[in-house]
Amino acid sequence: DIQMTQSPSSLSASVGDRVTITCRASQDISRWLAWYQQKPEKGPKSLIYAASSLHGGVPSRFSGSGSGTDFTLTISSLQPEDFATYYCQQYNSFPFSFGGGTKVEMK
Amino acid sequence: QVTLRESGPALVKPTQTLTLTCTFSGFSLTTSGMCVSWVRQPPGKALEWLAFINWDDDKYYSTSLKTRLTISKDTSKNQVVLTMTNMDPVDTATYYCARTYSNVAGGAFDMWGQGTMITVSS
Repeated sequence: DIQMTQSPSSLSASVGDRVTITCRASQDISRWLAWYQQKPEKGPKSLIYAASSLHGGVPSRFSGSGSGTDFTLTISSLQPEDFATYYCQQYNSFPFSFGGGTKVEMK
Repeated sequence: QVTLRESGPALVKPTQTLTLTCTFSGFSLTTSGMCVSWVRQPPGKALEWLAFINWDDDKYYSTSLKTRLTISKDTSKNQVVLTMTNMDPVDTATYYCARTYSNVAGGAFDMWGQGTMITVSS
């Protein structure tokens, strides 16, 4: 099974900051990686698929990059509504797997 | 408009079998590329993928849970059902169903239900 490791597990940032979250796969997953956002007491929201493609309606301040085993999610200018937990997920092969999550908190 | 809604008993006893239903609208599981997965999240913990079914009735399961899980679909009712046997308190979690439209986003989920909280307790 493919293990997904996110770092950091949490971070503190201010509105306007550039935020970067990393995700590492235990083996090559090409670009079959997605990112999701989850706010407290809510279901996940899909942000990015295929490592860098934004789902419709996702603000352009979100971007993704990477391939193989190393990936990043970047928020170019953090907005108040972006404080949430972010998860990466590989769908290169079954069983699918998620990272442990990164909580973005207000500094 | 695509929607998914999970339903099931809020409380189950240890050793019982849990049956969850995902009822969806706005798409059909007879359409090539359409898939539905189940994902769970224990309180305060990360997301965990459980099971997958597609339009062609291919099925895949979590390695650690595959002996306890069965996923099926009823295309006439627009439903996907997940059963989990021998429930334990550690299975207490919010259970989500999520759609994949592989023709657009590969295997990534593009729509999620709001989740249903399942508590396992005697």
